[in-house]
Amino acid sequence: NAGVTQTPKFRVLKTGQSMTLLCAQDMNHEYMYWYRQDPGMGLRLIHYSVGEGTTAKGEVPDGYNVSRLKKQNFLLGLESAAPSQTSVYFCASSNAGLDGYTFGSGTRLTVV
Amino acid sequence: LAKTTQPISMDSYEGQEVNITCSHNNIATNDYITWYQQFPSQGPRFIIQGYKTKVTNEVASLFIPADRKSSTLSLPRVSLSDTAVYYCLVGLINDYKLSFGAGTTVTVRA
Repeated sequence: NAGVTQTPKFRVLKTGQSMTLLCAQDMNHEYMYWYRQDPGMGLRLIHYSVGEGTTAKGEVPDGYNVSRLKKQNFLLGLESAAPSQTSVYFCASSNAGLDGYTFGSGTRLTVV
Repeated sequence: LAKTTQPISMDSYEGQEVNITCSHNNIATNDYITWYQQFPSQGPRFIIQGYKTKVTNEVASLFIPADRKSSTLSLPRVSLSDTAVYYCLVGLINDYKLSFGAGTTVTVRA
């Protein structure tokens, strides 16, 4: 049982380049999330999804887009990367409930 | 989710008990208190949850006073491997959108 898998684990982008981060979960969870984590700022919610085909904005959605075409996958896209998007990105899934979140191991993204 | 306040960092030594207090003055009647733990280079993981009084599991204890305006996570006899960031969250049991804040960085030294 893999839980939540994020790919890639590391990536370096040049300013203006685009990329997609993939999150896959095998727990049949309804809800999926993308967070970013910066030093001293905890985890901030970028976008989330309450089910297949649905997405919603979180606290810091600007510069990102997401898609949830299949229940098990949640994609995070950066159309034109900026240095301010250098961060560690975490994906999570849950069936709701404060105690039910499962996180991936993170993607470390550097934009130069 | 209710706003929470917890210390930015705490230092401890192996074998000591670590107590992290979280303030949540505007907790609502139906809110639960939940703690997550995040090791370096990993995502957070659930460790304990409670509504009132005391909850204990194999990892930690959670103490909640009668007025529920604060809670204390207690880690008994910590080891180096307990070095992590600990997050306090307060909200409905079926909340589906979590806000983690900065958490408390606990550093355990030999």
